Amino acid sequence: VQVVESGGGLVQPGGSLRLSCTGSQFILSEYSVNWVRQAPGKGLEWLSSLSGSRGPTYVADSMKGRFTVSRDSAKNSVYLLMNRLRVEDTAVYFCARDKMGPHDYMDVWGKGTTVTVSS
Amino acid sequence: DIQMTQSPSSVSASVGDRVTITCRATQGIGTYLAWYQQKPGKAPKLLIYDASKLQDGVPSRFRGGGSGTYFTLTITSLQPEDFASYFCQRADSFPLAFGGGTKVELK
Repeated sequence: VQVVESGGGLVQPGGSLRLSCTGSQFILSEYSVNWVRQAPGKGLEWLSSLSGSRGPTYVADSMKGRFTVSRDSAKNSVYLLMNRLRVEDTAVYFCARDKMGPHDYMDVWGKGTTVTVSS
Repeated sequence: DIQMTQSPSSVSASVGDRVTITCRATQGIGTYLAWYQQKPGKAPKLLIYDASKLQDGVPSRFRGGGSGTYFTLTITSLQPEDFASYFCQRADSFPLAFGGGTKVELK
């Protein structure tokens, strides 16, 4: 059981990037999936949660209007679309599956994908 | 929004020491709190959930406690593989939030 992120890279300020999170050995759509980032040398920052079974989506207030999340069940994947990127969005972006249950504990994490925003 | 604050930000300890990290919430969150361990260059790993429940495969030297606004993570006898950073996370409702982290270093 694992999740794998992809899509990171170098992007100029103001640009866009779409990150993917693909599940392996389990059905991703049955779980809530979170995006969490970590800027260099900093702590963890929760960005968004996409509930399983077509449930609600939550996005951190600081990201609303720039970041959106979506799911493609046929591809067993979740996506984070990031627009109008800023230098301060430079970070490792993790995808994390929620532990089954009523609360959002993240029990399966990917290795992360690095996003660098720089001119 | 509820904020999570950890202390200390770093602690120096030796193998075999007992280490306690605290996490405070600005409002009560019941027992809906998780602890994660992260080693450099790696993803976080879930250690404790519901404030005191051990995730499968996590050694019993890790103990979580607390409720409401005050929580603790105790490593009863520090092992070489425990030198890492530790983060708490509220899970009572959205927005989710992590504490700032505590780095456990070798004295």
